[in-house]
Amino acid sequence: NAGVTQTPKFQVLKTGQSMTLQCAQDMNHNSMYWYRQDPGMGLRLIYYSASEGTTDKGEVPNGYNVSRLNKREFSLRLESAAPSQTSVYFCASSERGRSSGRALNEQFFGPGTRLTVL
Amino acid sequence: AQSVSQHNHHVILSEAASLELGCNYSYGGTVNLFWYVQYPGQHLQLLLKYFSGDPLVKGIKGFEAEFIKSKFSFNLRKPSVQWSDTAEYFCAVNALKNRDDKIIFGKGTRLHILP
Repeated sequence: NAGVTQTPKFQVLKTGQSMTLQCAQDMNHNSMYWYRQDPGMGLRLIYYSASEGTTDKGEVPNGYNVSRLNKREFSLRLESAAPSQTSVYFCASSERGRSSGRALNEQFFGPGTRLTVL
Repeated sequence: AQSVSQHNHHVILSEAASLELGCNYSYGGTVNLFWYVQYPGQHLQLLLKYFSGDPLVKGIKGFEAEFIKSKFSFNLRKPSVQWSDTAEYFCAVNALKNRDDKIIFGKGTRLHILP
């Protein structure tokens, strides 16, 4: 199993350009997430998808759109990139199993995409 | 709204010193709790997790954490750190109300171990 994969690993954009970050998981997980990581800010949730066909905003959704293409794939799109979107982007997935009536939510992370917007 | 506080942003220790990283969360209901580690240049990996049962949880690489419900805390400990423990550590919380799939992360603690 590859786990969670992301492409590309690195990207440099000019202000105003658009791009799509791709994420795929092969663990048959229902939930998928996009985070950005900035120094001193921890991980901030951009969007998440609890199941195929559904998406919800996280803490910092402005300037981003997402598509849950199927159960495996969850893409993040920047329509008009801004320097404030320079960051490392992580995709993650998790499964909501059940154990003693509680949901299980361990997340598995991809390797990240380092994006620079000039 | 849920939130997670990690008290130390930067910790510097010598090898063999004992480690305790603080984590507090702000949610009064049932929670799942996690500690993740991120080694330099890598993605996050799970260190340990608490769902229910024994509040003292043991994870990989000699780490453990104690859930104290009355203090809303989930502190990470290791009796004797190694140089290879140099990394950033994140506490995370998932509140089970409404079966929410979101996990809220703290801002992280950067740990530097001196050889």
